[in-house]
Amino acid sequence: EAGVTQFPSHSVIEKGQTVTLRCDPISGHDNLYWYRRVMGKEIKFLLHFVKESKQDESGMPNNRFLAERTGGTYSTLKVQPAELEDSGVYFCASSRGPTIVQETQYFGPGTRLLVL
Amino acid sequence: GQQLNQSPQSMFIQEGEDVSMNCTSSSIFNTWLWYKQDPGEGPVLLIALYKAGELTSNGRLTAQFGITRKDSFLNISASIPSDVGIYFCAGQPIFNAGGTSYGKLTFGQGTILTVHP
Repeated sequence: EAGVTQFPSHSVIEKGQTVTLRCDPISGHDNLYWYRRVMGKEIKFLLHFVKESKQDESGMPNNRFLAERTGGTYSTLKVQPAELEDSGVYFCASSRGPTIVQETQYFGPGTRLLVL
Repeated sequence: GQQLNQSPQSMFIQEGEDVSMNCTSSSIFNTWLWYKQDPGEGPVLLIALYKAGELTSNGRLTAQFGITRKDSFLNISASIPSDVGIYFCAGQPIFNAGGTSYGKLTFGQGTILTVHP
């Protein structure tokens, strides 16, 4: 079974540009999460999809961030326009669903974003 | 929002030594998790704890879920060089009356572990 995959692995952009991150969850996982770790800080929750619907987007920093999960499969996270403070590692995680007691979130390798 | 305080921030130990790290929270979590992150990788689940007071082992790793539901510790015995990495605690809230843990994880700041051969 393939794990969670993320693309690209690294991205270096200039302030004001747009970047789109992609996450492919484990096949059959309805839940998809985005997290972010800014240098030296904790990993922070951004948002949670259940299939194609946003279950919880309380962690999204501002309206420069747009997440989509069309068709309930892969997800994209777009940052437009990017600011310096958006730099960090963006992780995606997936899990099967709330009908599974004590579900486990499986993380992807992350996308390292540097905004100059 | 909920915050987890994880300590220590970093540890430098000799191979063979035991390691202990802990997390505390001002609020209650239903599930406590311990993850390890290797360079260039995402966090990998090491141990999950589901009941207050629970003590769980996974090889050389032992973790406990505090009675108050506001803390947890992780011990690594007889460390080896491949234990190097960043260790994160994470808490997960209660989702429903059935006690299912679901939804976003709240992470600690991480403990950077260095093991000298």
